[in-house]
Amino acid sequence: KAGVTQTPRYLIKTRGQQVTLSCSPISGHRSVSWYQQTPGQGLQFLFEYFSETQRNKGNFPGRFSGRQFSNSRSEMNVSTLELGDSALYLCASSFSSGHSYEQYFGPGTRLTVT
Amino acid sequence: AQSVAQPEDQVNVAEGNPLTVKCTYSVSGNPYLFWYVQYPNRGLQFLLKYITGDNLVKGSYGFEAEFNKSQTSFHLKKPSALVSDSALYFCAVSPLNQAGTALIFGKGTTLSVSS
Repeated sequence: KAGVTQTPRYLIKTRGQQVTLSCSPISGHRSVSWYQQTPGQGLQFLFEYFSETQRNKGNFPGRFSGRQFSNSRSEMNVSTLELGDSALYLCASSFSSGHSYEQYFGPGTRLTVT
Repeated sequence: AQSVAQPEDQVNVAEGNPLTVKCTYSVSGNPYLFWYVQYPNRGLQFLLKYITGDNLVKGSYGFEAEFNKSQTSFHLKKPSALVSDSALYFCAVSPLNQAGTALIFGKGTTLSVSS
């Protein structure tokens, strides 16, 4: 079974621009979560989508948004990029939404904002 | 606030020796606890989880973790370390005061296994 895929793997953007990242979950998985990983803040939860609905949201500004499609694929968008948005963005899928479900992570998208 | 602490930034062990990576948690209610491993330039891989039941949980690649409710700990262990176990390890908790599958991660512990 194919794992979680994320595109693109690397991205360089300029401050003020916007960016869209894509995530395809494991086949049959209906929950997709997004995390930001930085050396200073570590791994932080952004949001989770389940059945095309945002289930939960972390403590990030409104510039960070996401959506999920009927095939469970998900996208996240960051508008008006800031230098501090440079990070590894990880997508994770799980079979369903709930505390007991383990998540399977993709390789991440490395975003550099200059 | 619910949180996870990994008190050691780095753990060094010799190949063949037992290893322990420490994790303590602070949650309200019964915890849902996880361990993940991250290799360079890759995403996180699930190792094991504690939901309920036996305090000793067995996971992938020979790893196990011991849940101790009185000490609020969930230490990761392996009887005999391999050089290939060298990686970044994360302990995580799923907070019960939030819906869904969100995880709160510790800062991570770098495990270095020398040959």
